[in-house]
Amino acid sequence: GAGVSQSPSNKVTEKGKDVELRCDPISGHTALYWYRQSLGQGLEFLIYFQGNSAPDKSGLPSDRFSAERTGGSVSTLTIQRTQQEDSAVYLCASSRGWETQYFGPGTRLLVL
Amino acid sequence: DAKTTQPPSMDCAEGRAANLPCNHSTISGNEYVYWYRQIHSQGPQYIIHGLKNNETNEMASLIITEDRKSSTLILPHATLRDTAVYYCIAPYNAGGTSYGKLTFGQGTILTVHP
Repeated sequence: GAGVSQSPSNKVTEKGKDVELRCDPISGHTALYWYRQSLGQGLEFLIYFQGNSAPDKSGLPSDRFSAERTGGSVSTLTIQRTQQEDSAVYLCASSRGWETQYFGPGTRLLVL
Repeated sequence: DAKTTQPPSMDCAEGRAANLPCNHSTISGNEYVYWYRQIHSQGPQYIIHGLKNNETNEMASLIITEDRKSSTLILPHATLRDTAVYYCIAPYNAGGTSYGKLTFGQGTILTVHP
């Protein structure tokens, strides 16, 4: 079946602009996760949503980062007033409950 | 999450078995061991996971020691396409606020050569 999809695959923006990254999880998966991976670094947890529970935002690096999940499906990660240090690959994953997480291909963000 | 320790890099000849070790000496009784890999410029790919018993699927085998302090991922017949970073993860699994998120370390860079 269809896996996790993310859009856009690549995004180039200017410092100070806002960006929105989209994630479409696997159908039926109740949990959705956002991670980011800076060049040459490991994956860093940002936020996760589990069903109707309040999201765990403990990994968001600043208040410029926010995410929402509409209708328990699609999620959007928004970065306001982007900075050059926000340049990274943003990865989304989904899972059925607390089970195995499956990752999307990522969105490569470059802030000039 | 239980801390995991992996060698930074390994080499393997094409067609041979690749055996990737992982130490997780602080793992608790209900924490699974997960293996993912990340091929260059792609998102992490799930490989296999286990709790106590050895596991096998179409991609790999997972051997977990009886005391659960270490495990080995086995790719039985490595190919050039198996060149990737392999991550061993033991996610926190007791209902706390960190429940569910994965903590990726530096992993093992496996290079399969002809």
